[in-house]
Amino acid sequence: GAVVSQHPSRVICKSGTSVKIECRSLDFQATTMFWYRQFPKQSLMLMATSNEGSKATYEQGVEKDKFLINHASLTLSTLTVTSAHPEDSSFYICSASSLAGIYNEQFFGPGTRLTVL
Amino acid sequence: DAKTTQPNSMESNEEEPVHLPCNHSTISGTDYIHWYRQLPSQGPEYVIHGLTSNVNNRMASLAIAEDRKSSTLILHRATLRDAAVYYCILRDEDTDKLIFGTGTRLQVFP
Repeated sequence: GAVVSQHPSRVICKSGTSVKIECRSLDFQATTMFWYRQFPKQSLMLMATSNEGSKATYEQGVEKDKFLINHASLTLSTLTVTSAHPEDSSFYICSASSLAGIYNEQFFGPGTRLTVL
Repeated sequence: DAKTTQPNSMESNEEEPVHLPCNHSTISGTDYIHWYRQLPSQGPEYVIHGLTSNVNNRMASLAIAEDRKSSTLILHRATLRDAAVYYCILRDEDTDKLIFGTGTRLQVFP
């Protein structure tokens, strides 16, 4: 299957700072990327959908001004957690899909663990 | 909201078959049934998907009920590496969104 990478794999930051997480599709062009958040012992929660070259679509209850998403190219999407607070500590996971072919499978990255002190 | 129902946990012994059930009584005609699994501290991994007919791949088999209101993921011979949380998901064909439910935590004992 296709490979999706995330960077960094883990990050620790101070409260009030901003953190950027990158999601890259390594061997295919991703027309759509999704961002999820997962708290300990819970399921994944979809945060937003981003399409290359257009504004992200956020799920209900997700603050778009706090979680800035940029999908500037077909292989890169970034999630910036602005003014992070301890309650933003979580496992952030991206996925990517392509319109190539009849069925556009979704491939997940390995996740980024964010800890806000 | 998640549109599937799965047992919270299941157990199996190594090298035995495992049948993981999923109910999706509100499935629409165009919803694909997907199964992903997630190992601790990793992103989800695709397992299998299907629409109406049963499906087989190198990882598992997917048995879909005739009315499509339920499905079963079959691991033919469980290994310790199969211990994970297994998610049954109906994919929204309009938005391609995957809405994860609570999944089934599979424990495999040697």
